[in-house]
Amino acid sequence: QKEVEQDPGPLSVPEGAIVSLNCTYSNSAFQYFMWYRQYSRKGPELLMYTYSSGNKEDGRFTAQVDKSSKYISLFIRDSQPSDSATYLCAMSEAGGTSYGKLTFGQGTILTVHP
Amino acid sequence: DAGVTQSPTHLIKTRGQQVTLRCSPISGHKSVSWYQQVLGQGPQFIFQYYEKEERGRGNFPDRFSARQFPNYSSELNVNALLLGDSALYLCASSLILIPGAGADTQYFGPGTRLTVL
Repeated sequence: QKEVEQDPGPLSVPEGAIVSLNCTYSNSAFQYFMWYRQYSRKGPELLMYTYSSGNKEDGRFTAQVDKSSKYISLFIRDSQPSDSATYLCAMSEAGGTSYGKLTFGQGTILTVHP
Repeated sequence: DAGVTQSPTHLIKTRGQQVTLRCSPISGHKSVSWYQQVLGQGPQFIFQYYEKEERGRGNFPDRFSARQFPNYSSELNVNALLLGDSALYLCASSLILIPGAGADTQYFGPGTRLTVL
């Protein structure tokens, strides 16, 4: 079983839709949670960074972390064709020998059509 | 400010050969991490270097090695290439204000696409 599970999709939505992307994880030591966006043949770009449980909002993006359920989500409001990309969740432990190691999900391919 | 840069962009090698990939971090960043991303998968952690010392290693064979230079740039070396080493190799840099205090924000470069024939 992988430490981080993410539905690979693909997910196709119309422009303006609300998109929900999710990851589950098994390692209870994860404390830091990130969402990256990756366009085709490019490196991942950091979208959201949260610590422990709770919500964080940045423009059209909202990240939620529920540590009790080991479940994180990214919501995209008013989705745009430019949001079409692969979305990767990533997690990290706090310090110790795993310091600096990000564990990624498989990535969800999102297409927003006009 | 320039982001993380990597070279070369693309590389084609044959089985058994050796390859060296290069990374320059964001100015002021002292840590570099390397990831391997196979097509259709998320990146897999290979190494992290901070202040020229290895601080973390992923589950990769000894054919993979890396080093960090005094200017904080880094090289990833892969020996005895296998077909399965074909992937996008990503470098990420981070600031690390307080080592060990928590996860640092990692910024990724565009990657080097390695094809092994």
